[in-house]
Amino acid sequence: AQKITQTQPGMFVQEKEAVTLDCTYDTSDPSYGLFWYKQPSSGEMIFLIYQGSYDQQNATEGRYSLNFQKARKSANLVISASQLGDSAMYFCAMREGRQSNFGNEKLTFGTGTRLTIIP
Amino acid sequence: DSGVTQTPKHLITATGQRVTLRCSPRSGDLSVYWYQQSLDQGLQFLIQYYNGEERAKGNILERFSAQQFPDLHSELNLSSLELGDSALYFCASSPRLNSPLHFGNGTRLTVT
Repeated sequence: AQKITQTQPGMFVQEKEAVTLDCTYDTSDPSYGLFWYKQPSSGEMIFLIYQGSYDQQNATEGRYSLNFQKARKSANLVISASQLGDSAMYFCAMREGRQSNFGNEKLTFGTGTRLTIIP
Repeated sequence: DSGVTQTPKHLITATGQRVTLRCSPRSGDLSVYWYQQSLDQGLQFLIQYYNGEERAKGNILERFSAQQFPDLHSELNLSSLELGDSALYFCASSPRLNSPLHFGNGTRLTVT
C-alpha cells in the first residue's frame, strides 16, 4: 500500500483564489511527521510546512496552512490567495518513528501535484 | 538558498562509466540523505548517513555506494551506469529528528 497518496496529478487555479492540495497517508506508527515541499520548474525542493502527529493545532506558515485530520489520515495543504509564483509541483511527505529513534528519519514522498496558477 | 551544496549541477556520461556526486550539508547538520528523482519512480530514498555512519538504506542499487566524511560532506558513487540511472539526484540534510530535510539543488545525471 502507498504510504503517501496524492490523488490530484494536476490542478489549474485562478490567481488570487485559495487552493487545497490533497494528501492522505498510511501508517500504524503513532509518532510521525508530515511535510510539504514545493518544486518549481527550476528543480529545487523547497520546504513549506511541517505537522507533527501530536500537534494539537494545524500548522501555518504565511500563506500556507496544513489541514490536518488525524482520524481521516489526511494532511491537505491550503494555499491562500494564490500567486503566479505558486505554479510548481507540490509533494507531500511523511516521516515515521519516535523522536527517540534517531536511526531512520527518511521521508517517504507522494507522487506530487502539479499546480498551475492562471492569471 | 537551502544551505546544502551539490556539485556538479549537470553530468553527462556514457553507459558503463562511473561518476561521483558530492554534497556539503548545511552548517551543523549531521544527517545527510540521498534521493533519486526520476520520471517513472518519483522521489526515491537511497541512503542516509549520520555523523559519518550509515543509518538507513532504501532502494539503493548495489552499483551505487555512498559515504560521509569526517567534515560531514558526502559523496554518492554510481558505477556501471545504465540508461535508467538518468535522473535528478538530491542530497538533503537535517540537524535532528522531526526537523525538515533541506534539499540541495540536485545533480542532473544523463547517461547516454
